Amino acid sequence: AQTVTQSQPEMSVQEAETVTLSCTYDTSESNYYLFWYKQPPSRQMILVIRQEAYKQQNATENRFSVNFQKAAKSFSLKISDSQLGDTAMYFCAFMRSGGPGGGADGLTFGKGTHLIIQP
Amino acid sequence: DTEVTQTPKHLVMGMTNKKSLKCEQHMGHRAMYWYKQKAKKPPELMFVYSYEKLSINESVPSRFSPECPNSSLLNLHLHALQPEDSALYLCASSQGPREFYEQYFGPGTRLTVT
Repeated sequence: AQTVTQSQPEMSVQEAETVTLSCTYDTSESNYYLFWYKQPPSRQMILVIRQEAYKQQNATENRFSVNFQKAAKSFSLKISDSQLGDTAMYFCAFMRSGGPGGGADGLTFGKGTHLIIQP
Repeated sequence: DTEVTQTPKHLVMGMTNKKSLKCEQHMGHRAMYWYKQKAKKPPELMFVYSYEKLSINESVPSRFSPECPNSSLLNLHLHALQPEDSALYLCASSQGPREFYEQYFGPGTRLTVT
């Protein structure tokens, strides 16, 4: 079984600042994927960024980037030039590469970090 | 169209009622998922369907019964629920089970059991 740990229950930064959310995970799997999802008050889960474990290059999506340290099992999210719309709960998630019988597998989520962007 | 729809948005039911939650996607995705999310908690996986066949059941009580009538539709039948089953139920889909594709989530159904 795998576990995902987010050690920051809540963070608050000023608009336009840079913020980093931390995530560590534990697994015995060799092939897997890591994600950051955002869940605003509307409750819709939105994919922010993904990282394939076999790729050494860190993923980047506009203002969002990750620092993936496979040996340390660490997967942090950096948000640059933070905006009011970034206020949300952020979940780090893990997924094995292939579920039972070659089927799909579900996501294992961390407990989340509530990020508040102050004007 | 990258939309997963869920109906109803809200549902209130008694412990003796039978109700169903519906999830639909028209993206040609072949894997679909049910998650349960309690307040201030992360989503927890309940079921996974791959190519319309149940591939994962995370030891969910039998009062929850999933059904995948076709590749676009996923139902969750509810019967004799308990108040602790009150939660947000999220449906998700992904393009293929064998290759990696991200999961797209619907807006959820907020269920209250009285």
